[in-house]
Amino acid sequence: TQLLEQSPQFLSIQEGENLTVYCNSSSVFSSLQWYRQEPGEGPVLLVTVVTGGEVKKLKRLTFQFGDARKDSSLHITAAQPGDTGLYLCAGGVGRGSTLGRLYFGRGTQLTVWP
Amino acid sequence: NAGVMQNPRHLVRRRGQEARLRCSPMKGHSHVYWYRQLPEEGLKFMVYLQKENIIDESGMPKERFSAEFPKEGPSILRIQQVVRGDSAAYFCASSPRTPGGDNTKNIQYFGAGTRLSVL
Repeated sequence: TQLLEQSPQFLSIQEGENLTVYCNSSSVFSSLQWYRQEPGEGPVLLVTVVTGGEVKKLKRLTFQFGDARKDSSLHITAAQPGDTGLYLCAGGVGRGSTLGRLYFGRGTQLTVWP
Repeated sequence: NAGVMQNPRHLVRRRGQEARLRCSPMKGHSHVYWYRQLPEEGLKFMVYLQKENIIDESGMPKERFSAEFPKEGPSILRIQQVVRGDSAAYFCASSPRTPGGDNTKNIQYFGAGTRLSVL
């Protein structure tokens, strides 16, 4: 059972287009992180959100944490080929016996064509 | 400012051999986490350690797998008598000691991983 569901699983777009990927759960998280992973490498942290409704911007990337802290979205404006990669969301419970654990979605594989 | 260092990057073992994966956390980080990534699956939590302590090993298989984070030296994930199903990418992450013990952000930084292939 996957605690975090990401959609779409694959996304192939042309340079300059906008896109949104989603990360949904029925569970509440104390924090949610977005990572990007290149083939053969480890996940690289993009952003952490902790407050319901929080919005963070990183250049052309906009991250939002849902009001109920159960879901998140990543919006990319004017995508570029350099944005190609696997985007992973990961949630932390932040308390109790699973304090240190991050729950990962399966990821969205984004390909941006020139 | 070195990141999380994992070695080896690639490891090939025959069935029945032992695999030892090493992880040096970022400088100043005292929390280490191990995850496994199987093809077509997301990263799955295995174990959370602090120096000389295993905090949460509920994601580790009960047999053949063990992990340690000694007072000195890297964290080690050890897989005894490997089988083909152990073939995967194993990632280590670390996080800093959080003042006051508030770990709600749970920010973790990942290494490049060790790709284990069992023949």
